[in-house]
Formats: sequence, C-alpha cells, structure tokens
Amino acid sequence: AQSVTQPDIHITVSEGASLELRCNYSYGATPYLFWYVQSPGQGLQLLLKYFSGDTLVQGIKGFEAEFKRSQSSFNLRKPSVHWSDAAEYFCAVNNAGNMLTFGGGTRLMVKP
Amino acid sequence: NAGVTQTPKFQVLKTGQSMTLQCAQDMNHEYMSWYRQDPGMGLRLIHYSVGAGITDQGEVPNGYNVSRSTTEDFPLRLLSAAPSQTSVYFCASSSTGGSQPQHFGDGTRLSIL
Repeated sequence: AQSVTQPDIHITVSEGASLELRCNYSYGATPYLFWYVQSPGQGLQLLLKYFSGDTLVQGIKGFEAEFKRSQSSFNLRKPSVHWSDAAEYFCAVNNAGNMLTFGGGTRLMVKP
Repeated sequence: NAGVTQTPKFQVLKTGQSMTLQCAQDMNHEYMSWYRQDPGMGLRLIHYSVGAGITDQGEVPNGYNVSRSTTEDFPLRLLSAAPSQTSVYFCASSSTGGSQPQHFGDGTRLSIL
C-alpha cells in the first residue's frame, strides 16, 4: 500500500529565508506526486506535480520540488519565503487510479 | 468558474441525526471523491466514484454512504451521525488518470454533539 510521511508537523521560518519541506513516500512503482497548499478555512490548491521526466519541477508561487527516487523523497523548496506563504502544506501520492494518499501535513509559520 | 461547490459550509448535528453533504462540479470530470480532514492525519479518502453509477470505498468508509446518479453530483450521506465523525469534509474531482490533479471544494465543517 502506498503511504506518505511528512516528518515535520510545524516549521517556522523568517520572512526572506529559504524553505524546505520534507516528504517521503512508499510506493512500488513510479509514483505520481503532488504538493498542495491549504490556507486557513480554504480548500486545497495544487502547487505542483511530478509524474515523469525532469526530476526538478516548478510550481506556482515560486515553489519547486525535486523527485529523488533513491531516497523516495519529493521535497518542496522555496528560495525566499513571503509572509503570505504561511499555510499548511500537504504532500500526496497517487496511483494510476486517481486515489490520492496524503501525508499528515506541515504547518508553516513565517516570522516577520 | 464555479469548479467544485460544497454545501453547507458549516453544520452542527446531534448524535444519531442524519444529513447529506452536497458536492457538485461543473468541469465534466469523471472522477469524484470525498475526504475527511482531521488534525495531524492529513486527508483520508472516504468514498470515490469513477463515473455515474459507479462508487467504491476508500480508506475510511464506515458510517458514510454515497451515490452518483449524474456526472456533476456526488452527495455524501451520514446515516446516523456519531461524535467521531466530527471533521472537515472535502469533495474533489478530476479527470481520469493518476497524473491528473484533483480540484477541491472549500470544505464542510461538521460538528456532531
């Protein structure tokens, strides 16, 4: 069965600092991987996805993620965090049949 | 663009009551699903549908019922609400295929007293 682990429940960074959110997955085949962001009281918005090709994928809002098969990881990065990036971030893996499995989420707080 | 619309946004029920959470999408997506979100557990799949007339169970289906009579609508029914079903519920839709991103509604916050 597929699974996703986000080791960091909470992360606090200063505005302007770089950010890396960790995601590890367990899945037998090449996975379809996603990062979603959830602002308070809102639904989930897709940041980026990976399903083949270049292992470094670019997303919206200046985010990027790198797929590393050898480490079963799909970490999300941003070079310079803005206060508006404060939200909860979810990593998810999909099998070929549309069934998403989510990690527990990482709540990002941004210090001024 | 409406996207995925969920109603109601908030609801309080008493234990044993029944209710239906509505979900509608206007993107002609074949795949629809329901998740519940609980603190620290991410989103867990309750039920899903790959097309009208076809539904299946996800990870946590107990206490919930679904049907899919049209492409657009995918209601979730709580037959006899329990406090353990207090959660935020999200409906999502997508085109078929694992690489297709899912589009989420804004959620229904449900409290069972």
